[in-house]
Amino acid sequence: DIQMTQSPSTLSASVGDRVIITCRASQSVSSSLAWYQQKPGKAPKLLIYRALTLESGVPSRFSGSGSGTEFTLTISSLQPDDFATYYCQQYYNYLLWTFGQGTKVEMK
Amino acid sequence: QVHLQESGPGLVKPSETLSLTCSVSGDSLNTYYWSWVRQPPGKGLECIGYIYYSGSVNYNPSLKSRLTMSIDTSKNQFSLKLHSVTSADAAVYYCARAGRGAFDVWGQGTMVTVAS
Repeated sequence: DIQMTQSPSTLSASVGDRVIITCRASQSVSSSLAWYQQKPGKAPKLLIYRALTLESGVPSRFSGSGSGTEFTLTISSLQPDDFATYYCQQYYNYLLWTFGQGTKVEMK
Repeated sequence: QVHLQESGPGLVKPSETLSLTCSVSGDSLNTYYWSWVRQPPGKGLECIGYIYYSGSVNYNPSLKSRLTMSIDTSKNQFSLKLHSVTSADAAVYYCARAGRGAFDVWGQGTMVTVAS
């Protein structure tokens, strides 16, 4: 299995802050990585796929970078609607797609 | 607009079989990988497995011995059966569409409790 590790687990930030979440894979996943946002009681929402491609309708303040084993999700200017939990997911290993443990972005 | 909707019992007894169906509207099942993801209360996301329209499946190895997925393209539905459930299987179960791995459309999720 490919293990995905996110850091930090929790992040305290204010509106307007630049937020960076890191995701590390236990082995290379090339660019087969997606990011999701999940709010309480709701299904996850796809933000980014192929490591850096923004899903249609997702605000441009979200961006992704990286390849291989290290990836980042950046929110350039945190908005009130962005307080949520974020997950990375690898789909390189078609036998088992795996998620990171999640990063909760909370209000400072 | 593509819409996915899970249905099935919200309560399953230990050792019995959890059965869920995902109804798809606005898209044909003849493309994409149709998937199940679960999330125990307060925890993270776990891929259960996926099925292609041809019927080929891929299961999470940790669940493979208890898992059966099927697809009915005539009804635009796909299904999940998880046998011999325990309390560890209690979770919100989501169906989702996977375009070569990234889940771009999700159902709203259905909570399944395991209790006698």
